Amino acid sequence: RKEVEQDPGPFNVPEGATVAFNCTYSNSASQSFFWYRQDCRKEPKLLMSVYSSGNEDGRFTAQLNRASQYISLLIRDSKLSDSATYLCVVRTDSWGKLQFGAGTQVVVTP
Amino acid sequence: GAVVSQHPSWVICKSGTSVKIECRSLDFQATTMFWYRQFPKQSLMLMATSNEGSKATYEQGVEKDKFLINHASLTLSTLTVTSAHPEDSSFYICSARRGRGNTEAFFGQGTRLTVV
Repeated sequence: RKEVEQDPGPFNVPEGATVAFNCTYSNSASQSFFWYRQDCRKEPKLLMSVYSSGNEDGRFTAQLNRASQYISLLIRDSKLSDSATYLCVVRTDSWGKLQFGAGTQVVVTP
Repeated sequence: GAVVSQHPSWVICKSGTSVKIECRSLDFQATTMFWYRQFPKQSLMLMATSNEGSKATYEQGVEKDKFLINHASLTLSTLTVTSAHPEDSSFYICSARRGRGNTEAFFGQGTRLTVV
């Protein structure tokens, strides 16, 4: 079983709509959680950290459910520039070792 | 601007040759850097943890004699793919964190290696 699992998508989203997707992780001792964004053939870039109480950054809202071991990301008022692959990332130790999901592809259409 | 610089961004080499990839932290010291590999439509897979002044820690299934890692200074780690084969063709990315705890990991721009 993969340590971090994501629905690969693609999620085709009309511009202005809302899209949400989850990821699940297997290691209950995981310490930190992140969403990264990766554009085609580019390096991942941090979108936001995910906190236990849930957190929001503009149009992006992240939630963490430790009991069920899943993380969610919701994008409101989707923009064309939101088209990318969103990587669910879990840190499992204090040295910064990260486990990546395979990514969820989001395609925002006009 | 980028805080982790990786070079080269792409390289084509012949089978059997070696390729060196550099990863530099530009404005901070990184005692630990990480090397990942990503095949098309797959997740980043951690290859090894690079520790300044000591041997790298390799993940299971990663050949340490094939993927040589050197972390000679607090701002530079190198990955050398030795005796490259076409199946080594992939996207290699390094990352470093400014400190410990829940701090952001910065990634290099990645190196796209094609072995022909």
